[in-house]
Amino acid sequence: DVKVTQSSRYLVKRTGEKVFLECVQDMDHENMFWYRQDPGLGLRLIYFSYDVKMKEKGDIPEGYSVSREKKERFSLILESASTNQTSMYLCASSSVGDTQYFGPGTRLTVL
Amino acid sequence: SQQGEEDPQALSIQEGENATMNCSYKTSINNLQWYRQNSGRGLVHLILIRSNEREKHSGRLRVTLDTSKKSSSLLITASRAADTASYFCATDAWGAQKLVFGQGTRLTINP
Repeated sequence: DVKVTQSSRYLVKRTGEKVFLECVQDMDHENMFWYRQDPGLGLRLIYFSYDVKMKEKGDIPEGYSVSREKKERFSLILESASTNQTSMYLCASSSVGDTQYFGPGTRLTVL
Repeated sequence: SQQGEEDPQALSIQEGENATMNCSYKTSINNLQWYRQNSGRGLVHLILIRSNEREKHSGRLRVTLDTSKKSSSLLITASRAADTASYFCATDAWGAQKLVFGQGTRLTINP
């Protein structure tokens, strides 16, 4: 059974803190994705990676960075969290040109 | 942008009725996918239809694709309370390794 896990379901951080969101998949997928989801805006792609140590900017990369040191793990980093980064963050993985499998999401609140 | 747009934004029907949701997109695609999201959770893949297919079934789900009109529909027959969720279409353009999601349709099934 396919599995994408995210390190936290709920996270509360303070403005200016460095935040790490971790995502792990066990399906040996090449592609991994980070989205944020906000009411009225749908899912927006932040970054994606199609191979280890490779990354591509999505639609809204500003204020975020990513790391993919191992095939199964894709990390999203907020260098200095701000209140406008309060959101639901969703990680997904896929084989090339195939279905994306999503994690349960991390609801991040920045105070 | 080739963002998909779902219609309607919200739909409320009685249990047992059929629910139809529509999706339009802007550019040529490789495939179109439908996902479901229960409140506060990750997305779950429902069905994928390729650009050379016109109709696909999976249980109570029926998806059609009209590439000439750049549109797709998702029909859920004999709806149940458990079908209450948001439904998203996502398009995968030729040569791209990422999906573009629509805003979603919020479906409510009333008992």
